[in-house]
Amino acid sequence: DIVMTQSPDSLAVSLGERATINCKSSQSVLYSSNNVNYLAWYQQKPGQPPKLLIYWASTRESGVPDRFSGSGSGTNFTLTISSLQAEDVAVYYCQQYISNFFTFGPGTKVDLK
Amino acid sequence: EVQLMESGGALVQPGGSLRLSCAASGFTFSNYWMTWVRQAPGKGLEWVANIKQDGSEKYYVDSVKGRFTISRDNAKNSLDLQMNSLRAEDTAVYSCARGGGVVSGPNYYMDVWGKGTTVTVSS
Repeated sequence: DIVMTQSPDSLAVSLGERATINCKSSQSVLYSSNNVNYLAWYQQKPGQPPKLLIYWASTRESGVPDRFSGSGSGTNFTLTISSLQAEDVAVYYCQQYISNFFTFGPGTKVDLK
Repeated sequence: EVQLMESGGALVQPGGSLRLSCAASGFTFSNYWMTWVRQAPGKGLEWVANIKQDGSEKYYVDSVKGRFTISRDNAKNSLDLQMNSLRAEDTAVYSCARGGGVVSGPNYYMDVWGKGTTVTVSS
């Protein structure tokens, strides 16, 4: 199975400041045939289901604010929130889907400083 | 409005069985892969199972293989998860999710999620 790790476990960021979350996979999630990374990011607020933010590592889901961006390739990926808003307080998960057996990262909790 | 709504969660004793359902609305259910994901109390997300549009392909996480069965009824826009031989470690909120995009293969992100139903396995 592909193991996903995230860092940090949690971070506290001031309003308007940048938040950066890292995700690493134990195997490459870059599919060589189409040069696409099979990596998604989700946001989960307390008491709510996960919400898709980013897929194919860097494609923003419709309706997601452009302060959210995804980057990276192969085994190393980053989710960046360029200017943290109060409503961005949540846990963020990465997920690989290159394997038929999906795996998620353990999550990164983002709080306000 | 695209919507998924789970039902069937309950308190069940270890070794018992439970059947969860997910009702889909607002989209052509038969066009999409579907997934069950669970979240134990205070823990992260764990993928459980996937099923292809026509039910011909199914994938399971190792910890539930042989105990859980995913199925679907496209005529009723319904996804099910039959859970047998339940263990304490199966305690979680179970959510159904839609495969993003109209994809043919089992490699997809999940773009629509239900709110989940709670399964508690305890004596």
